[in-house]
Amino acid sequence: GENVEQHPSTLSVQEGDSAVIKCTYSDSASNYFPWYKQELGKGPQLIIDIRSNVGEKKDQRIAVTLNKTAKHFSLHITETQPEDSAVYFCAASHALDYKLSFGAGTTVTVRA
Amino acid sequence: EAQVTQNPRYLITVTGKKLTVTCSQNMNHEYMSWYRQDPGLGLRQIYYSMNVEVTDKGDVPEGYKVSRKEKRNFPLILESPSPNQTSLYFCASSPPGYGGYTFGSGTRLTVV
Repeated sequence: GENVEQHPSTLSVQEGDSAVIKCTYSDSASNYFPWYKQELGKGPQLIIDIRSNVGEKKDQRIAVTLNKTAKHFSLHITETQPEDSAVYFCAASHALDYKLSFGAGTTVTVRA
Repeated sequence: EAQVTQNPRYLITVTGKKLTVTCSQNMNHEYMSWYRQDPGLGLRQIYYSMNVEVTDKGDVPEGYKVSRKEKRNFPLILESPSPNQTSLYFCASSPPGYGGYTFGSGTRLTVV
């Protein structure tokens, strides 16, 4: 089955700086890569996703990149703000079976 | 409002006492899934369902049962809970393909 590894497990950044989270996956058949944000006491919320036919996708301060050859993908948050503090999860799946496999999570803390 | 509703939010029970965690979605989604979240392990899939009467095991199905008799409901059943099932549980639903999961708010289960 799919194995997703995520690094780092914790990340502390100064407000206004950028944050980068990296993930690798093992199954070359995976073609859908969502990212979720989990705030304290809440369920994970989808913030951005990318399909395998696209190398990069951006939504305001958030961007994701995908390298299919190397089987890794990354989340980039620019101009970080205190409300970006949360746990972030990467995930991978094949869209046809939708058995979503998650990374272990990254706790991001934005220092004011 | 489009949502996934889980009940209860918190549950403390004793070893061996059967329990059911309910999950309902109002988005007419085909896919539904149960995950457990444990520190350092991320979200691990317990069971998933691709449609009514179609269920399959995820990565950690031992000790759990599910049923999908109606499209909107996907209850998680613990026939004989044990302390190692103490965890935070999430139900999620999704349309087929590249839709992305919508998660419930979670159920924190403690088995003593």
